[in-house]
Amino acid sequence: NAGVMQNPRHLVRRRGQEARLRCSPMKGHSHVYWYRQLPEEGLKFMVYLQKENIIDESGMPKERFSAEFPKEGPSILRIQQVVRGDSAAYFCASSGTLNTGELFFGEGSRLTVL
Amino acid sequence: QKEVEQNSGPLSVPEGAIASLNCTYSDRGSQSFFWYRQYSGKSPELIMFIYSNGDKEDGRFTAQLNKASQYVSLLIRDSQPSDSATYLCAVNMGGNQFYFGTGTSLTVIP
Repeated sequence: NAGVMQNPRHLVRRRGQEARLRCSPMKGHSHVYWYRQLPEEGLKFMVYLQKENIIDESGMPKERFSAEFPKEGPSILRIQQVVRGDSAAYFCASSGTLNTGELFFGEGSRLTVL
Repeated sequence: QKEVEQNSGPLSVPEGAIASLNCTYSDRGSQSFFWYRQYSGKSPELIMFIYSNGDKEDGRFTAQLNKASQYVSLLIRDSQPSDSATYLCAVNMGGNQFYFGTGTSLTVIP
């Protein structure tokens, strides 16, 4: 499967726990984006990463949220001490070429905070 | 502030009609523009992209771009019930940064 792979597809956490969402980009892609989507709303940009570098994290809350894309392995979006407002679908997308713009999306990870 | 704006809808059209979806963007220097379709509970999928002023046609879909007016639209001809979805406008505002509108919900009535 050469598509963008996200896991877990569904994650349930209690308030105060940590959530880790993983994303493996398409083969050959080195640009990864994370978006958050609340029900009935659009995609909100969170962070843009390349291998070992955070390029733009302007959409990510300053506290509790972090992202990485190590040299080896998937990109990880980490949410510490989750609150109910973190419940959302988190989509990862990857891109392989600068400026052509096409993003390929994963199926998303749906986080529910109890 | 970099923004992409769309009418949230919902937009309802009868089967066979033309659906027109509109999008405006704030960054005049933007170079590439995309329309994604998202079915409920699913991930967005790319249906059209356009880089140059004018029209670009692909089957029943036509994307229109007017950079002077900072406006991009999507026309769906001969709308089908299977076109019922949320349509997201996305703009690459440089530096490989993609910004999405909130989406327009389209319902095609049989």
